[in-house]
Amino acid sequence: AQSVAQPEDQVNVAEGNPLTVKCTYSVSGNPYLFWYVQYPNRGLQFLLKYITGDNLVKGSYGFEAEFNKSQTSFHLKKPSALVSDSALYFCAVRDIRIFQKLVFGTGTRLLVSP
Amino acid sequence: GAVVSQHPSWVICKSGTSVKIECRSLDFQATTMFWYRQFPKQSLMLMATSNEGSKATYEQGVEKDKFLINHASLTLSTLTVTSAHPEDSSFYICSASSGTGVEGYTFGSGTRLTVV
Repeated sequence: AQSVAQPEDQVNVAEGNPLTVKCTYSVSGNPYLFWYVQYPNRGLQFLLKYITGDNLVKGSYGFEAEFNKSQTSFHLKKPSALVSDSALYFCAVRDIRIFQKLVFGTGTRLLVSP
Repeated sequence: GAVVSQHPSWVICKSGTSVKIECRSLDFQATTMFWYRQFPKQSLMLMATSNEGSKATYEQGVEKDKFLINHASLTLSTLTVTSAHPEDSSFYICSASSGTGVEGYTFGSGTRLTVV
């Protein structure tokens, strides 16, 4: 069965420093990978996705993610963190063979300190 | 861009009553809608998948008689929590897909349900 793992419950980073939020995946076939962000009591906002093509995907709000097939990873990155980036981040994978479901990771809370 | 409107954003109800949550796609036709439940500090749990005009497909362990899902049109899906109990208190989120390839999913803003 398809799955994603987010090994870190929380990531702390100082404002202005680069940030990385980790995600690894396990899926049969080609992975369709997504990153979403959630602010308190809000739905999920789309950040970026990888379907095919360049391994480095650029998304919203200056975020990017690198698809690494050999390591089955799709880590989210940003060169310079902002306090306003503090939120809950979810990695997700879709298996197009099963009703186009999204399977989410457990989420990583990002805390950016001033 | 695609917008999904979810209402209400929060609701408090008494035990034993039913609550209906609406999810509308405002500027696209949603062939498929998904309903998720999120517990505090936890990930999203898919409850069911609904396709317009057909019965919803429920995930294992989700009571279909308790969580009634209706997807009567291409722009509206509803989730009704019947005979609600305090353990049903949670954050419910819908998402919609236009079904056109991999352009993804648009999420509603969520509904905080508190059953007292």
